Amino acid sequence: GQNIDQPTEMTATEGAIVQINCTYQTSGFNGLFWYQQHAGEAPTFLSYNVLDGLEEKGRFSSFLSRSKGYSYLLLKELQMKDSASYLCAVRRLTTDSWGKFQFGAGTQVVVTP
Amino acid sequence: IAGITQAPTSQILAAGRRMTLRCTQDMRHNAMYWYRQDLGLGLRLIHYSNTAGTTGKGEVPDGYSVSRANTDDFPLTLASAVPSQTSVYFCASSEGGRLGDEQFFGPGTRLTVL
Repeated sequence: GQNIDQPTEMTATEGAIVQINCTYQTSGFNGLFWYQQHAGEAPTFLSYNVLDGLEEKGRFSSFLSRSKGYSYLLLKELQMKDSASYLCAVRRLTTDSWGKFQFGAGTQVVVTP
Repeated sequence: IAGITQAPTSQILAAGRRMTLRCTQDMRHNAMYWYRQDLGLGLRLIHYSNTAGTTGKGEVPDGYSVSRANTDDFPLTLASAVPSQTSVYFCASSEGGRLGDEQFFGPGTRLTVL
């Protein structure tokens, strides 16, 4: 079966760094995505990894280890507007679709002054 | 229109009623998806469509149906609503076929079934 685990909540101070871990078990792995979702809004795409290693995009970086079924999202120089839920999603390659996404339950990041 | 739109924004529905949630995208994306989001459970895939004219079942399809008559529209129908279908529903689309193909989400429909 498929399973995606990420912490429920994390709290950090403005200007600090927070690392959100995501572990997954899946067959047909075809990419790991991170999305940001502010309360009452739609998820928005942050980053994507399909090969092992680190992808950096400004203040956000994402890491993937396929052999360990592990990814993390690193948020640097935290700002108040980064308070949101962060969703880890795994795409599976299937014979009947471009790729089905399975999402974790999300990690609520609370940034304090 | 820019991106994906959904209608209605919110709806309160009596159990047993039929309801169609609308979703339209103007990005000419091949693939479209319907998710429901419930507290503590994250986003769960209901149905998807690879291209116009095709649909497939996701993780939680029971009680829902979809159609994809053209590229832009992907309506979700609840034939006879039940209280357990109370949720926030998100429609999403992606180009389809590209490796780093991210999904773009609509603003969501908040549905309450009483």
